[in-house]
Amino acid sequence: AQSVAQPEDQVNVAEGNPLTVKCTYSVSGNPYLFWYVQYPNRGLQFLLKYITGDNLVKGSYGFEAEFNKSQTSFHLKKPSALVSDSALYFCAVRRYGSSNTGKLIFGQGTTLQVKP
Amino acid sequence: GAGVSQTPSNKVTEKGKYVELRCDPISGHTALYWYRQSLGQGPEFLIYFQGTGAADDSGLPNDRFFAVRPEGSVSTLKIQRTERGDSAVYLCASSETSIYTGELFFGEGSRLTVL
Repeated sequence: AQSVAQPEDQVNVAEGNPLTVKCTYSVSGNPYLFWYVQYPNRGLQFLLKYITGDNLVKGSYGFEAEFNKSQTSFHLKKPSALVSDSALYFCAVRRYGSSNTGKLIFGQGTTLQVKP
Repeated sequence: GAGVSQTPSNKVTEKGKYVELRCDPISGHTALYWYRQSLGQGPEFLIYFQGTGAADDSGLPNDRFFAVRPEGSVSTLKIQRTERGDSAVYLCASSETSIYTGELFFGEGSRLTVL
C-alpha cells in the first residue's frame, strides 16, 4: 500500500526567511510525487511534481522540492517566504506500475504560517 | 469550462435523506476522481473513472455511496440514507489522460452537512 506522512501539523516562518515543509512517502516501486496548496475555502491547486530525472523540481510561485530516494522524502522548499504563502500544503504520491489505477494518495497536510 | 465545476457548493440535509453531488470536469479530460475531505484531514480517495467506467472504486466507504459517469464527462456522486459521519467536503478532480504522470485539477468542492 502507498502512504504519505507529513510530520508537522504547522510550520511557522518569518517573511523573507527560507521555508521547508516535510514529506516522506512509502510506496512499492517508483513513486510519482506531487505537492498541492489549499487556500481557505478554495480547491487544491497543483504546485509541482516529480516524475523522473533531476531530483530538484521547480514549480509555481517560486516553490521547489527535492526528491531523495534513499530517505523516501520529497520536501517542499522556498528560498524566501511571503505572507501570501500562508496556506495548507499537501504532499501526494502515486505508484508507478501495471496495476496502478492512477489513485493519488494525500498526506494529512501541513499549515504554513508566514508572519510579517 | 475553464475549470472543474462542482454543484452544489453547499448542501445541508437531514439524516437518512438521499443526496446527489455533481461534477463537471475540464473539457477533454478523460480521468475523473472523487475525494472526500474532512476537517483537518487530507483528501481521502473515493473513486476514479477512466472514461465511463469506474477504474477503481476501492475508496467508497460502503454501499450507500455510488458514482456514475454515463457519457464520460459529467459525474454524479450519490449518497443514500445519509449519516452524520458523511458530513465533509466532497472534492472532484479531473486529469487529461490516464497516464499516471498527470496532475489532477480540482474543483472547489461540495460541502455536505448532515444534521
